Amino acid sequence: QVQLGESGGGVVQPGRSLRLSCAASGFTFSNYGMHWVRQAPGKGLEWVAVISYDGSEKHYADFVKGRFTISRDNSKNTLWLQMNSLRTEDAAMYYCAKDISLVVVTGVPEDWGQGTLVTVSS
Amino acid sequence: DIQMTQSPSILSASVGDRVTITCRASQSISSWLAWYQQKSGKAPKALIYRASSLESGVPSRFSGSGSGTEFTLTISSLQPDDFATYYCQQYETFPLTFGGGTKVEIK
Repeated sequence: QVQLGESGGGVVQPGRSLRLSCAASGFTFSNYGMHWVRQAPGKGLEWVAVISYDGSEKHYADFVKGRFTISRDNSKNTLWLQMNSLRTEDAAMYYCAKDISLVVVTGVPEDWGQGTLVTVSS
Repeated sequence: DIQMTQSPSILSASVGDRVTITCRASQSISSWLAWYQQKSGKAPKALIYRASSLESGVPSRFSGSGSGTEFTLTISSLQPDDFATYYCQQYETFPLTFGGGTKVEIK
């Protein structure tokens, strides 16, 4: 059974940094691409980034390019999202999700964690 | 970026109704479309991928159709557990983009 547990959210001032973590279990983490998707309070879903199974391929949403970095450690079954230069509009629930396909990054976040809340406020 | 537009944004329906949600892409995405269900305060759940393929464990009353730029999600007979918000998402190209969502509420 796929389990994804996000952590690292909290209250941060604009311009500061935060690193989110996602602990994975119940599947072979090193075989799957992983996504971050966010949702501002009362708003819709917004895709943030994806990383391939081996970390060699990364894609980002335009609004986070240069500020956020997705990474993974397959030996620790852990996914991260390093968020720098945070803005008030980055406030959201951040979900990690496992891609639907083995090895190839298809682009379908199939299994989702419960999310970690990021608040950006002075 | 590919824009995804869902309609309606809110849909009022009764148990047993047949419900259809439409999703339009700003350019052709072939069949690279997924649908998700999200209940209040919960993480999204994948329902359909490749426009019409049902995820394992999803009831057969859910179906998806379409290709190119126009897609539909149909619930053949709405059940109490189906009142939720539904999102489409294209994966033809990065960045991945979601529709704005359709909230299915009790009439």
